[in-house]
Amino acid sequence: EVQLVESGGGLVQPGRSMKLSCAASGFTFSNYGMAWVRQAPTKGLEWVATISYDGSSTYYRDSVKGRFTISRDNAKSTLYLQMNSLRSEDTATYYCTRRSDYWGQGVMVTVSS
Amino acid sequence: DVVLTQTPPTLSATIGQSVSISCRSSQSLLHSNGNTYLNWLLQRPGQPPQLLIYLVSRLESGVPNRFSGSGSGTDFTLKISGVEAEDLGVYYCVQSTHATWTFGGGTKLELK
Repeated sequence: EVQLVESGGGLVQPGRSMKLSCAASGFTFSNYGMAWVRQAPTKGLEWVATISYDGSSTYYRDSVKGRFTISRDNAKSTLYLQMNSLRSEDTATYYCTRRSDYWGQGVMVTVSS
Repeated sequence: DVVLTQTPPTLSATIGQSVSISCRSSQSLLHSNGNTYLNWLLQRPGQPPQLLIYLVSRLESGVPNRFSGSGSGTDFTLKISGVEAEDLGVYYCVQSTHATWTFGGGTKLELK
């Protein structure tokens, strides 16, 4: 059974950093591109970043470029999202997803002083 | 960037009614490899999204066959043939043909 389990969310002050993790199981992680998608309270889904199966290619939405870094450790079957210089508008539930076919339960990130 | 325009934003239906949702793209979603990476998702309240349809028209395993997808290029449709109570929630189209993914704005399906 495919499972994606996010961790690392919580309350953080504006300008600070936070790192999310997504532990994958039930499939060969190193064969798949992965992505982070977020959803602000009462809003729709918003793509954040994508990484290729081997980590060689990464893509970001404009509003997080230069602040967020997506990465992966295929040996640990884990996806990461390093978030720096956080802003109030980054407040959202963050989901990791395998090409939009499998999704984690999500982790809440609240950026507030 | 690709923009996906999803309509209608809200859909009121009775149980058993058939409904359709449109998803129109600002650019072709046909990939150079011949695939069209347009998926349909359902998000029930308080739940993560779940995949219903992938590659425009392929039904995800375990999804009832009252759901169907069609379309090509820039114009896509999700049809539910006989709405059931468990179908209520927000439907999203999503494209991953282009390196930067895009989601439609969502269609909330409610009971009339």
